[in-house]
Amino acid sequence: ETGVTQTPRHLVMGMTNKKSLKCEQHLGHNAMYWYKQSAKKPLELMFVYNFKEQTENNSVPSRFSPECPNSSHLFLHLHTLQPEDSALYLCASSQDSGGSSYEQYFGPGTRLTVT
Amino acid sequence: EDQVTQSPEALRLQEGESSSLNCSYTVSGLRGLFWYRQDPGKGPEFLFTLYSAGEEKEKERLKATLTKKESFLHITAPKPEDSATYLCAVPSYNTDKLIFGTGTRLQVFP
Repeated sequence: ETGVTQTPRHLVMGMTNKKSLKCEQHLGHNAMYWYKQSAKKPLELMFVYNFKEQTENNSVPSRFSPECPNSSHLFLHLHTLQPEDSALYLCASSQDSGGSSYEQYFGPGTRLTVT
Repeated sequence: EDQVTQSPEALRLQEGESSSLNCSYTVSGLRGLFWYRQDPGKGPEFLFTLYSAGEEKEKERLKATLTKKESFLHITAPKPEDSATYLCAVPSYNTDKLIFGTGTRLQVFP
């Protein structure tokens, strides 16, 4: 596979469930990102990892827990979510997270619905 | 505060009818302006990077231009396959992270 892949593509979960989103990049990049995209709103940056180290947590509630075991894989663990967390969750990667690399490549996203 | 505003929110064009999308930005120091295309149910796809006022980039029917306050994405003789949401983004001077606009949803009808 090439580019950035995400699984699952669609997820419906109850507020008491625990689930995980997975992202994998095949571009040899060192930085990975989680974004939330809601209707009529700009993309919201959630987390940034650079060389497996978390460098940004954009005031995200603790019910979202990221994990980055290596530079190619990124997870977002979800638990006790709220209906307002329903959105498209996008993973992206870039060469690094430094100032010279804003060209981010996105995966197809996971459409999450919390019931 | 760093900010990106896109207009119009939605645009409907007839095939072959040229038009422009606008991206206005407010940032302390511009480190580049980025255009993305997003198809329904997919992630954004990188299109262009512009770094300085007066710079232009072209790709097929798309041409992006940059001034000190805004960027335009000109679409010449669009086709239905150009239908998508177009996003622009600039890096925040303070946080160094991309700030995205809400996008322009373009629909091109045959």
